[in-house]
Amino acid sequence: AQKVTQAQTEISVVEKEDVTLDCVYETRDTTYYLFWYKQPPSGELVFLIRRNSFDEQNEISGRYSWNFQKSTSSFNFTITASQVVDSAVYFCALSEAQIGTASKLTFGTGTRLQVTL
Amino acid sequence: GAVVSQHPSWVICKSGTSVKIECRSLDFQATTMFWYRQFPKQSLMLMATSNEGSKATYEQGVEKDKFLINHASLTLSTLTVTSAHPEDSSFYICSARNPGQGASKSNQPQHFGDGTRLSIL
Repeated sequence: AQKVTQAQTEISVVEKEDVTLDCVYETRDTTYYLFWYKQPPSGELVFLIRRNSFDEQNEISGRYSWNFQKSTSSFNFTITASQVVDSAVYFCALSEAQIGTASKLTFGTGTRLQVTL
Repeated sequence: GAVVSQHPSWVICKSGTSVKIECRSLDFQATTMFWYRQFPKQSLMLMATSNEGSKATYEQGVEKDKFLINHASLTLSTLTVTSAHPEDSSFYICSARNPGQGASKSNQPQHFGDGTRLSIL
């Protein structure tokens, strides 16, 4: 069984602050994939990143960065210099990689980020 | 890039009505589509996996006769909420995997539709 835990239900920051969203996962597979999605108030899911379990390199994309620590089963997401437009619910998700499975996504409960002026 | 279209965006109907939601992959063929349900301020929960040309695979606790899934073509899956009741009110969202992206089935991002807000009065 796989599980994704996002312990932070809601986070509120002032614009330009840095913020880190935590994600801890559980899986029995040695090969798996981790994702982050953004869900703005309009409801659609916006894909942010995919990381496979063999690639522990941290990644930076503009103001976004991700820290994958396999030893602690964590895949944290940091937004640098947050902006009001970053306000949304952010979901961490896990997909196992067994051949022949449907590779469905297991989502965490989400972290609601509120960025204010 | 790949796009998934979901229709309708929102629907309001009376209790007892059946509601059909469509999920289309616009520029790729999707042998597998997924249907999720999201209650307000909660996470997305997988309801079922829709397989083209075969029966859908439902998650535990999801009523097959209540949520009918049809995946008759490689670009279209439909979810029909039969005899809907107020407790079925929710945000339903579909996704499709593009088999043309990547060598592994799992490392492709699923492309999500924009979701359907269903309100049953």
